[in-house]
Amino acid sequence: DTAVSQTPKYLVTQMGNDKSIKCEQNLGHDTMYWYKQDSKKFLKIMFSYNNKELIINETVPNRFSPKSPDKAHLNLHINSLELGDSAVYFCASSHGQGVTDTQYFGPGTRLTVL
Amino acid sequence: GQNIDQPTEMTATEGAIVQINCTYQTSGFNGLFWYQQHAGEAPTFLSYNVLDGLEEKGRFSSFLSRSKGYSYLLLKELQMKDSASYLCAAMDSNYQLIWGAGTKLIIKP
Repeated sequence: DTAVSQTPKYLVTQMGNDKSIKCEQNLGHDTMYWYKQDSKKFLKIMFSYNNKELIINETVPNRFSPKSPDKAHLNLHINSLELGDSAVYFCASSHGQGVTDTQYFGPGTRLTVL
Repeated sequence: GQNIDQPTEMTATEGAIVQINCTYQTSGFNGLFWYQQHAGEAPTFLSYNVLDGLEEKGRFSSFLSRSKGYSYLLLKELQMKDSASYLCAAMDSNYQLIWGAGTKLIIKP
């Protein structure tokens, strides 16, 4: 059974389009995250949700919007895609936000904007 | 500001030992994590340190010195499958993980 799953795994699209990436976890975790990993391999936190509440919102453009229909899902919607949005996007989840709460990552979605 | 530094790339020989260093500066500190990431795959958890000292887990060990803002990951009896990037991440006072760019470890026969 896959613990954290993301779809699609690859996404190629044109500038200006709107796209969504889906994430689901079956671990019963309360907190979910979205990270962006750029070409330099830095993982940058974008959002995290705890019990359907947004608790971290880094300085990402408002073209990015997380949507959580329930605590097992955290989808990422991106409007008006730009070339600089090309990256690998990882979803992750953890039991809580405490010091021992390991984050489990999904397989990643490689987004290429042309 | 908050910052994590680790070497970009290291090379080691199969069967040998390698130490990957990490220094960190964060606003508050709630522990240091090491993750392994194979090319094209997701990061997977390796270790967590919050107290000074060495934590051993099989072939992998992780060390922390809070006073020096320093950690290392020690890999023994290297195997070809250990070729991967190793990410250091420090948790700040807001329980947010600050990630390094990772150290790409190349294992040669």
